Amino acid sequence: QKEVEQNSGPLSVPEGAIASLNCTYSDRGSQSFFWYRQYSGKSPELIMSIYSNGDKEDGRFTAQLNKASQYVSLLIRDSQPSDSATYLCAVRSGGYQKVTFGIGTKLQVIP
Amino acid sequence: DTEVTQTPKHLVMGMTNKKSLKCEQHMGHRAMYWYKQKAKKPPELMFVYSYEKLSINESVPSRFSPECPNSSLLNLHLHALQPEDSALYLCASSQEPRTGTGGGRETQYFGPGTRLLVL
Repeated sequence: QKEVEQNSGPLSVPEGAIASLNCTYSDRGSQSFFWYRQYSGKSPELIMSIYSNGDKEDGRFTAQLNKASQYVSLLIRDSQPSDSATYLCAVRSGGYQKVTFGIGTKLQVIP
Repeated sequence: DTEVTQTPKHLVMGMTNKKSLKCEQHMGHRAMYWYKQKAKKPPELMFVYSYEKLSINESVPSRFSPECPNSSLLNLHLHALQPEDSALYLCASSQEPRTGTGGGRETQYFGPGTRLLVL
């Protein structure tokens, strides 16, 4: 059983729309949740981190966490072609040094 | 400054070669990580160093040998690799409280990676 699940996509949205990326995780003891953006051939870049239930906003990005449902999401408002990348959901659990990544969702923003 | 540097950017090696990948950070982070990432796959954890001591080895073959000479540097020594070891090798670092009660909020920051091709 996968520990962190994401739809691999691609998720296509028109420029200016809201992109919604979802992630579920299996370990109820998970404490920290991260969204990384990875452009093709580049390394992951941290977009958002969230630790408590609810929403956390940073510019055009909003992370949402629901620990009861074991669900974390990332909303990107006013999507731009430069947002086209793979978005990796990462979860820290079971020993705080180890972070498990989902397979990533490929987002395509169509001009 | 959240910069982690890695050298070289690209590396081509034969199966009989010995090479090393280097990683450096000056953020005062006391945990450093090596990940391997194949195309269209997520990063896979290989090793974790905490306060210069190896704390996690994810059953990595012995042809990969990590070394942490000081709190800022992390090396990955490569020997007798196989073509299937070709991948992007990522270094990351994070804060790590000595008492282990940090609540797991420490964020990992990645270096740009070394693209390795084994012929």
